[in-house]
Amino acid sequence: KQEVTQIPAALSVPEGENLVLNCSFTDSAIYNLQWFRQDPGKGLTSLLLIQSSQREQTSGRLNASLDKSSGRSTLYIAASQPGDSATYLCAVSPPWSGGGADGLTFGKGTHLIIQP
Amino acid sequence: KAGVTQTPRYLIKTRGQQVTLSCSPISGHRSVSWYQQTPGQGLQFLFEYFSETQRNKGNFPGRFSGRQFSNSRSEMNVSTLELGDSALYLCASSSRRNEQFFGPGTRLTVL
Repeated sequence: KQEVTQIPAALSVPEGENLVLNCSFTDSAIYNLQWFRQDPGKGLTSLLLIQSSQREQTSGRLNASLDKSSGRSTLYIAASQPGDSATYLCAVSPPWSGGGADGLTFGKGTHLIIQP
Repeated sequence: KAGVTQTPRYLIKTRGQQVTLSCSPISGHRSVSWYQQTPGQGLQFLFEYFSETQRNKGNFPGRFSGRQFSNSRSEMNVSTLELGDSALYLCASSSRRNEQFFGPGTRLTVL
């Protein structure tokens, strides 16, 4: 059974710092890995999707890497801002089953606070 | 392009009742998945529908069911509600490359 772990569970840093969030998974047979952010009481916003054949993806100040063989992914946030405060979730999907979506397995998330 | 929409946004029910939640996926997306989010268990996969057929199911009791219509809209139903069913229920629609896009969720409170 796939298990996803995110470290740290919570993180508070001053504005402007660069930071790294970690995600590890136990079964390397994944189809892709997706990073989300969730604001309190809201749904999930997709940040980055990394296919299993890719090593990294970038979007603005965000960069996500994937090392499938070691079961690890990192989300790098550059020049953090107070608006980045949210819970960040990592999720992996199982191998492709022939069309459509398979259930994602989520980590418990990293609660991030950026101090102004 | 409009995002995933869910109705209602909030629901309060009592134990033993049943509830139906609705989800409209992004236009053109044929796959809809449902998740339950609670503080203790985090996000857990309920089931996924593709072209009106349930293709995958998570580890939830039979009280949780769903369906998908020909226009890809989906509903999930929970019968005989229990206190532990209080949660945020999230719907996601999937692109062809399996990137999932989530709606705002329905907050269900069972009293």
